[in-house]
Amino acid sequence: EPEVTQTPSHQVTQMGQEVILRCVPISNHLYFYWYRQILGQKVEFLVSFYNNEISEKSEIFDDQFSVERPDGSNFTLKIRSTKLEDSAMYFCARRLAGSYEQYFGPGTRLTVT
Amino acid sequence: GQNIDQPTEMTATEGAIVQINCTYQTSGFNGLFWYQQHAGEAPTFLSYNVLDGLEEKGRFSSFLSRSKGYSYLLLKELQMKDSASYLCAVRDNAGNMLTFGGGTRLMVKP
Repeated sequence: EPEVTQTPSHQVTQMGQEVILRCVPISNHLYFYWYRQILGQKVEFLVSFYNNEISEKSEIFDDQFSVERPDGSNFTLKIRSTKLEDSAMYFCARRLAGSYEQYFGPGTRLTVT
Repeated sequence: GQNIDQPTEMTATEGAIVQINCTYQTSGFNGLFWYQQHAGEAPTFLSYNVLDGLEEKGRFSSFLSRSKGYSYLLLKELQMKDSASYLCAVRDNAGNMLTFGGGTRLMVKP
């Protein structure tokens, strides 16, 4: 199974602050996804990213969120002004071309105080 | 809209067989996934079904009936380490996003 890492593993921030979560895939991944999971709740899709462009996004992914692949390697999720309700696990997932299986990274636990 | 239903909790005995059901009503369908998630960890891919029938992979099997909007995950020879949540997820027609059910928390007892 191809590996991906996420940094940081845990981020604590104050309400209103900006956070950047990072996903570092291996180089031959083209398809990336961000999901979140609020404690005790279901996994929710945020956004998919293909060929350096957003291909789909959910209603959760509003103007406070953005994604980019700034250096062709790291894949980042930015939350501009965090709210208490943004506290959750954020998972990066990746998919190889030619398959539909999505593999999840270990996640970043975001705590907004 | 998307609606995916799974039982919230199940309990089974070590060495036994357990079947976890998932029903879905979705606006599109292009495959169903099962993931395992241990507490505090990321979901781990188990299986993918896009055609009707049974897919077997070691102790785990997954079944799909598209006409009934129904799938199940079958776990054989249960081990204590199988205690986890099992997530059913549907891939829709529009793209590759996955819509997840709430998960079934399986407790395996000695």
